[in-house]
Amino acid sequence: QKEVEQNSGPLSVPEGAIASLNCTYSDRVSQSFFWYRQYSGKSPELIMSIYSNGDKEDGRFTAQLNKASQYVSLLIRDSQPSDSATYLCAVMDRGSTLGRLYFGRGTQLTVWP
Amino acid sequence: DADVTQTPRNRITKTGKRIMLECSQTKGHDRMYWYRQDPGLGLRLIYYSFDVKDINKGEISDGYSVSRQAQAKFSLSLESAIPNQTALYFCATSDPRYTGELFFGEGSRLTVL
Repeated sequence: QKEVEQNSGPLSVPEGAIASLNCTYSDRVSQSFFWYRQYSGKSPELIMSIYSNGDKEDGRFTAQLNKASQYVSLLIRDSQPSDSATYLCAVMDRGSTLGRLYFGRGTQLTVWP
Repeated sequence: DADVTQTPRNRITKTGKRIMLECSQTKGHDRMYWYRQDPGLGLRLIYYSFDVKDINKGEISDGYSVSRQAQAKFSLSLESAIPNQTALYFCATSDPRYTGELFFGEGSRLTVL
C-alpha cells in the first residue's frame, strides 16, 4: 500500500508571505506527482504536476521534487487570501496503466490579510 | 452546466437502507472513478472503470458496488448503508491519455443515521 504523507497543518501565513507545503511518499516506484487544491465545500482541482527532479514554476506556484529523498513540495509565493484552501498531494506509479492516484490527507492553508 | 454531474448532492438515510449515487459526464472520457473523502483522511478510491465492460475495485470497495451503464454513466450503490459510510463521495473522470488529471464532480454528501 502506497503511503503519502503531508504536513498535517493547518498552516496559517500572512498575505504576501511564502507558503510551503510538504509531501513524502513511501516507495521509489512513484514517478508522477501532483498537487490538487480543494476549496471548502468544493471538489479538488489540479494545479500542478511534476515528473522530474528539480523545480517547476507556474505563476506564483513552484513544485519541487526530490526523488532520492522521496519528497515533493509546493511553494506559493506572494500568498493571497484566495489561496486559502486544502492542498492535496497525489502520486502515481511508474508506467501505471491503471491510472490510479494515491492521495495524502491534505494540508489546510489559511492566508490572512 | 457541470461536465461531471452527481446526484443527489445531499442525502440522509437510515442504517440498512439501499442507496444509489449517480454520476454522469459530458467530457467524453472513458475512465471514471468513485472516491470517498472523510475529514482528515484525504481521498480514497472505491471503484474505477476504464470502459463499460471494465470494473475494478479500489482501496475500500467493501460494502459498495458499482454499475457502468454507459460510457457517460457510473453509479455507486450501498446495498445496506451503515453509519461509517457517512462521507463525501466524489465521482471523477480522466481522459485516455491520462496525465494524472482527474475531473471531479461536485460531490455527494451522504449521512447514514
